Amino acid sequence: QSALTQPASVSGSPGQSITISCTGTSSDIGGYTYVSWYQQHPGKAPKLMIYDVSNRPSGVSNRFSGSKSGNTASLTISGLQAEDEAEYFCSSYTNSRTLVFGGGTKLAVL
Amino acid sequence: QVQLVQSGAEVKKPGASVKVSCKASGYTFTSYYMHWVRQAPGEGLEWMGVINPDGGAISYQQKFQGRVTMTRDTSTSTVYMELSSLRSEDTAVYYCARAADSWSADNWGQGTLVSISS
Repeated sequence: QSALTQPASVSGSPGQSITISCTGTSSDIGGYTYVSWYQQHPGKAPKLMIYDVSNRPSGVSNRFSGSKSGNTASLTISGLQAEDEAEYFCSSYTNSRTLVFGGGTKLAVL
Repeated sequence: QVQLVQSGAEVKKPGASVKVSCKASGYTFTSYYMHWVRQAPGEGLEWMGVINPDGGAISYQQKFQGRVTMTRDTSTSTVYMELSSLRSEDTAVYYCARAADSWSADNWGQGTLVSISS
């Protein structure tokens, strides 16, 4: 199972919006609504930010939103804040009854 | 509140095995699957497998088939991940993470660093 494809890095200024893409295939992202996004700060465990494509867990800011079109999922962060600077990973359930992650995207808030 | 507490860091020699534990609390242990995910230094997340604490059914990533064993002890609400035939590429932080219905990982352990060195 190949990893999902994410851009290596993105950047934005405080207050701006950014979008991170995550591209898979019809065997994973395209075939299911089980797409999740995680935020990871250096030296910390990942934190769930979005599940089931577009749902936010309790306590996650509504500045974070998710969507999917075909084989590509997207995470949008609006009103960028310094604390959003982190690495973001997507994941998807697959038709092999496994989970696959993206390679990760480092977000810089300039 | 949900807590997943993992065992401490390990240093192993190539060819050895390591067993990492993950003790769950704050919820009904048998109601949620548990993922194991690893992260090599400076690298991304890699899914290893998932175990159902209620009955023990397991799904492993094909890459780890034959080398990884996931088990659970319902009397102590603990899951275990054992990886054998260790090599330098297995140096990583290993995480357990509770699996929600959608296969998302909604709560994570603190991670266990496993270092392989001769």
